[in-house]
Amino acid sequence: KAGVTQTPRYLIKTRGQQVTLSCSPISGHRSVSWYQQTPGQGLQFLFEYFSETQRNKGNFPGRFSGRQFSNSRSEMNVSTLELGDSALYLCASSLAREMVYEQYFGPGTRLTVT
Amino acid sequence: SQQGEEDPQALSIQEGENATMNCSYKTSINNLQWYRQNSGRGLVHLILIRSNEREKHSGRLRVTLDTSKKSSSLLITASRAADTASYFCVPSGTYKYIFGTGTRLKVLA
Repeated sequence: KAGVTQTPRYLIKTRGQQVTLSCSPISGHRSVSWYQQTPGQGLQFLFEYFSETQRNKGNFPGRFSGRQFSNSRSEMNVSTLELGDSALYLCASSLAREMVYEQYFGPGTRLTVT
Repeated sequence: SQQGEEDPQALSIQEGENATMNCSYKTSINNLQWYRQNSGRGLVHLILIRSNEREKHSGRLRVTLDTSKKSSSLLITASRAADTASYFCVPSGTYKYIFGTGTRLKVLA
């Protein structure tokens, strides 16, 4: 079974621009979560989607948004980029059986904002 | 919040030794998971223990859970250089997974 894939793997953007990151979950997985990882703040939860609905959300400004498609693929968008948005963005998928499930992480997208 | 706090923050051991990491949390949970992150293989799920379990084994990993003390421990036996990584505990009762700062383990060859 193919793992979680994220595209692109690396991205350089300029302050003020917007960016869209993509995540393809493991086949059959209906839940996709997004995380931001920085050296200073560690791994922070952004949001989780299940069956095209945002089921949970972290404490990030509205510039961070996401969506999930009917095939469970998910996209994350960051508008009006700031220097502090430079980070590794990780996507995780899971079967989401009941409320107990393991998450499988992708390799991440390394975003650099200049 | 449901964040786990790992202790110690950093740990260095010799290859072949055992490594023990601890995790404390504050709210009630229905499961607790341990993850590992290294530069080579990214972030990987290691083991899940449910709130009604006290101990679980997987290969060289042994996890314990004490819900009365709101704590868990991860033991890695016979450590290898490849075990060098950051280890995170993730207590969960909802669909929101909060990662702490982790324990940075360094296994010296």
